[in-house]
Amino acid sequence: QVQLQESGPGLVKPSQTLSLTCTVSGGSISSGSYYWSWIRQPAGKGLEWIGRMYSRGSTNYNPSLKSRVTISVDTSKNQFSLKLSSVTAADTAVYYCARDGLGVWFDPWGQGTLVTVSS
Amino acid sequence: DIVMTQSPDSLAVSLGERATINCKSSQSVLYSSKNKNYLAWYQQKPGQPPKLLIYWASTRESGVPDRFSGSGSGTDFTLTISSLQAEDVAVYYCHQYYSTPDTFGQGTKLEIK
Repeated sequence: QVQLQESGPGLVKPSQTLSLTCTVSGGSISSGSYYWSWIRQPAGKGLEWIGRMYSRGSTNYNPSLKSRVTISVDTSKNQFSLKLSSVTAADTAVYYCARDGLGVWFDPWGQGTLVTVSS
Repeated sequence: DIVMTQSPDSLAVSLGERATINCKSSQSVLYSSKNKNYLAWYQQKPGQPPKLLIYWASTRESGVPDRFSGSGSGTDFTLTISSLQAEDVAVYYCHQYYSTPDTFGQGTKLEIK
């Protein structure tokens, strides 16, 4: 059974870059049958899809964040990563990684990690 | 972007009664050539990630109780819980994967009356 786990700093200063990693276990990120996505959720609010990547490196980002987002993969570690630059308080949220079946539904999800942007 | 609008924002239903949550998309999410609606439903309990309940608008995910059902096509969709159980208290989200960016409804909070 595939499981995902997010990791990274819980506190980031304004204007800096948020960096998170999602470690995939129970299956290979290189299998080629899935995309791998990042989704975020501000406290008490709804879900926002950030972007996805395919194991071979192609990516697709939410236009609202595209200028600040980079998603990359490290197949040797079975991990994929999120970088979000020039963060502000509006980027404070729980960040989830999730598997998606080539651009369809998200399943499973990681447990999520809270990132707070504050000086 | 496709805007997903859920109604109501919150809902209180008695145990054993039916709960109905609606989701409307700003444009059709029906892929005609495949005759599939690109819509999913998730359940999110406090402190947990969303859990997939329904995909293709009406296909129940493995392990999801059969009291959960999805229906609708095109732009109007419904998630129905036929007999509400205490463990169904959660926030429910619809999600369209017809076109990027993927978008979600604002969520419907389901409580016990």
